[in-house]
Parts: sequence; C-alpha cells; structure tokens
Amino acid sequence: NAGVTQTPKFRILKIGQSMTLQCAQDMNHNYMYWYRQDPGMGLKLIYYSVGAGITDKGEVPNGYNVSRSTTEDFPLRLELAAPSQTSVYFCASSYLSNEQFFGPGTRLTVL
Amino acid sequence: EDKVVQSPLSLVVHEGDTVTLNCSYEVTNFRSLLWYKQEKKAPTFLFMLTSSGIEKKSGRLSSILDKKELFSILNITATQTGDSAVYLCAVEATETSGSRLTFGEGTQLTVNP
Repeated sequence: NAGVTQTPKFRILKIGQSMTLQCAQDMNHNYMYWYRQDPGMGLKLIYYSVGAGITDKGEVPNGYNVSRSTTEDFPLRLELAAPSQTSVYFCASSYLSNEQFFGPGTRLTVL
Repeated sequence: EDKVVQSPLSLVVHEGDTVTLNCSYEVTNFRSLLWYKQEKKAPTFLFMLTSSGIEKKSGRLSSILDKKELFSILNITATQTGDSAVYLCAVEATETSGSRLTFGEGTQLTVNP
C-alpha cells in the first residue's frame, strides 16, 4: 500500500493564480481531510469528506474548494491564490473518523 | 466552537529527563482524544484515548485522559534526542454528518544531549 500520497511536494504560485493539490489513498478509507499548517502552529481543518460525493467545510474553508468523485481521490482547489494561503497542506484519511493517516504534505508559497 | 489548548507551547530538556505535556479541551459531543508526534514531516499517530482513567503505554510514552476535568497528559520518561518533535493533541467530536478532529497548536519538545 502506498498509503496517502500528495502531489506536488512543493509549489510556488503568483497572487491570483489557481492550482489543484492532489491527494489519493489506497486504503479504501471513507474519511478524507485537508489541513493547513502554518509555521509554529497546529493543524487547521479546511475541508473533509465522509465518503464519495459528500464534502463539508472545516474551520478555514474560505479560498478553497474540494470534490470527492471517488473514494480514492480528494483534490483541493485554490482558485485565486493569496499570500495568506502560504502554508504546508496535509491530506489525511481514516477508516473510521479518528486515527488518521497523513500524506507527506505540500509546501505552497504564494508570492 | 471546539477548542483544544496545549501547554507548554515549547519545552527544552536534557536527555534522561521526564516530561509531561498537557492538553485541555472544550468540545461538544466528545468522542476521543488523540496524540500525534510530528517531526519535520507529516504527523504520526501515538495514542487514541476514549475512556477516563485508563493509561495507554508504548515504551517510554504513556498517556491518560480525564473526561471529567477535560484534559489529557502525555508523559515521556528517560527522554532521548530522538524524542525532539512537535507533539499534537487532537479531539474528535461527533456531528450529524460524522465527526472530525480539532487540533491544538502543539508542544515543541527539544531534548538536548
């Protein structure tokens, strides 16, 4: 099993550009999550999904969108990148809703 | 709004010391509390606690939950430099659509040789 994979590992965007952060898991987990982690801070939940076709907002959803068309994939979309979105983004998945398995993260810088 | 507060925010100790990390929480519909260790990469799971007063142990690490006082502690005995990391506490709360985790800001532990 590859576990939770994320691409890209690093990305630099200009203000106003768009991009999609990819996340995939091969553990057949129903639950998937996107977090952001700013330097020296804890994880903040952006969006989560309890199954294919179902998504819900987390603590900091503004500026992001998600979709969950399959169990395996949970992409995160940034439409108009802003410097405040400079962060490390972690995707996670879980079979039930507690022990989460994390991907390696995507480091995003918006200049 | 769910809230998870960890203390201290940072801690510097010498190898061999014992440390206690704290996590207090205020959530509606509590289900479980989890501890993670984060080195310079993604967090890795340490413990999940659901019942009060039952200690979970893994080697030199142990954790206990007090659901009445709404807190948990993570103990690390005989610390080693490899224990240096950020330790994250997260609380799971149930919702109508399922449940989700709220993370604390973490405790940065540095163990010096």
